[in-house]
Amino acid sequence: NAGVMQNPRHLVRRRGQEARLRCSPMKGHSHVYWYRQLPEEGLKFMVYLQKENIIDESGMPKERFSAEFPKEGPSILRIQQVVRGDSAAYFCASSLQSNTEAFFGQGTRLTVV
Amino acid sequence: QQQVKQSPQSLIVQKGGISIINCAYENTAFDYFPWYQQFPGKGPALLIAIRPDVSEKKEGRFTISFNKSAKQFSLHIMDSQPGDSATYFCAAVTSGTYKYIFGTGTRLKVLA
Repeated sequence: NAGVMQNPRHLVRRRGQEARLRCSPMKGHSHVYWYRQLPEEGLKFMVYLQKENIIDESGMPKERFSAEFPKEGPSILRIQQVVRGDSAAYFCASSLQSNTEAFFGQGTRLTVV
Repeated sequence: QQQVKQSPQSLIVQKGGISIINCAYENTAFDYFPWYQQFPGKGPALLIAIRPDVSEKKEGRFTISFNKSAKQFSLHIMDSQPGDSATYFCAAVTSGTYKYIFGTGTRLKVLA
């Protein structure tokens, strides 16, 4: 049973470009969470999705950021017109139910140059 | 009130020593307190967790001590080994919810 898979592991984008981060949850998990980790900081909640639904996006910046979890395929975190401040590690986690243990992927490290 | 304060920011321990990391919270609705271990370039991995109905939980060399009245909990790593060198995060969450609140992390280095 593979764990939470994220790709790419590293992503470099120039300012103004778009970044797409992918997350495949653990098999059987339909709850996905995205967290952002800025350098020297803890993880901060961004968004919680179930299949085809955004449940809670209270931690997501209002502009340029969006997330989806389609019926088929991975969850996508999309950052439009990236800026240097978006440089961070983005972690995805998944769980069987919303109140069960969440398992984290290895993260995508985004660098904006 | 949603914060979890973690200290120290970094810690250096000799091999065989005890590593102690502390966390404090304000929100009394939190009732599940996991600790995560993160190696460079990896995601956080659950190490050990505790609920407030017990004051201590031990798994191998790792122990969580929990003080409900003080709203504090700590991770103790006994007989610390160089392989324990990693960043450790405490977290808190309310059962039935999903929004983990993480501490800022402690970078542990165990000297050989």
